[in-house]
Amino acid sequence: DAKTTQPTSMDCAEGRAANLPCNHSTISGNEYVYWYRQIHSQGPQYIIHGLKNNETNEMASLIITEDRKSSTLILPHATLRDTAVYYCIDYTGNQFYFGTGTSLTVIP
Amino acid sequence: DAMVIQNPRYQVTQFGKPVTLSCSQTLNHNVMYWYQQKSSQAPKLLFHYYDKDFNNEADTPDNFQSRRPNTSFCFLDIRSPGLGDAAMYLCATSTGGTPLGYTFGSGTRLTVV
Repeated sequence: DAKTTQPTSMDCAEGRAANLPCNHSTISGNEYVYWYRQIHSQGPQYIIHGLKNNETNEMASLIITEDRKSSTLILPHATLRDTAVYYCIDYTGNQFYFGTGTSLTVIP
Repeated sequence: DAMVIQNPRYQVTQFGKPVTLSCSQTLNHNVMYWYQQKSSQAPKLLFHYYDKDFNNEADTPDNFQSRRPNTSFCFLDIRSPGLGDAAMYLCATSTGGTPLGYTFGSGTRLTVV
């Protein structure tokens, strides 16, 4: 079952950075942190994942604390199309169990 | 493009009438998953196939069954749909290990009337 906790909702002004936190305090050494997002009525979309080091791709950056108990997803310049539910998932290598996610609203 | 395809996009079925949802993939992934997502809730894992091995989640009702005739296809059968089974059903695939994660289909929205 889900082992992550996230704020229920957040707002972000268009063009500003969106910082979405996630707590995964029970994570173990071989478990990855994955981030997916789900735009209304679509399937979840992969954003980024990491194990220990910070990661960056064309969509976002992932900052993982040194103790690995929490992470932050950063969307550097949020657009209206980034409005979605963002899920942080603690992945052991077999099944994804989704937590409640954060509903991000990007405001014009 | 390699992808996960779910048909139909929308399905309406009658209360108690068996219904089948389908999922196909061109990724040649070992594992296929079915999730149920009710309105304003997170996706909930129902079961998955690792190759031909079926793995049921402990709290998945017996009303839900699945078939995987080959690598590419996986079906979700609901034997006697109730009003509470109205939901989005999501299919996903993976290679079965980290770190590649899952690829999801667009989902089938089931309405029970």
